[in-house]
Amino acid sequence: KQEVTQIPAALSVPEGENLVLNCSFTDSAIYNLQWFRQDPGKGLTSLLLIQSSQREQTSGRLNASLDKSSGRSTLYIAASQPGDSATYLCAVRYNFNKFYFGSGTKLNVKP
Amino acid sequence: DAGVIQSPRHEVTEMGQEVTLRCKPISGHDYLFWYRQTMMRGLELLIYFNNNVPIDDSGMPEDRFSAKMPNASFSTLKIQPSEPRDSAVYFCASRGQGGSEAFFGQGTRLTVV
Repeated sequence: KQEVTQIPAALSVPEGENLVLNCSFTDSAIYNLQWFRQDPGKGLTSLLLIQSSQREQTSGRLNASLDKSSGRSTLYIAASQPGDSATYLCAVRYNFNKFYFGSGTKLNVKP
Repeated sequence: DAGVIQSPRHEVTEMGQEVTLRCKPISGHDYLFWYRQTMMRGLELLIYFNNNVPIDDSGMPEDRFSAKMPNASFSTLKIQPSEPRDSAVYFCASRGQGGSEAFFGQGTRLTVV
């Protein structure tokens, strides 16, 4: 069974701090991995997509890395801002179509 | 494109009633997914379609749930009869071919009383 785990479940940091969110998966034969952001009561917003052949992807202050051999991905957020407060979800796509979500990390950035 | 569009955004219904959730995927996307999100179970895949054809419905919890995709621009998820334990947020997502990104709608918050 493919399992996706996100640690920590919740994180609170002061504004300006750099932080790392973790995502681990049990089966290394992934197709790709996608990071999402979800604001309370809202849908999921795609942040970054990493193909299995890639090591990292960057968008603005966000950087996502992928290490298939160890079954891990990290989302690095530089110079965090209160507007970054949300739940961050990783989704791992194993076969061609289905993808599995972690339970998310709830981030609170304090002004 | 306006993204994935779901309706209604909120639905409150009485137990036993039929509920129909609607989704319009992004134009040109070949895959459509229905997810359910609850606090206890997180995001669960219910069913997905490829080119309007249901491919995997193993996540549909019971026969009370059914989904259709009559054309490339419209899908429905129906619950009949609804029960309080069906209360959740239901998301629709779509994506194109290959390794492309998946995009989600804003969700439908269903409350069955």
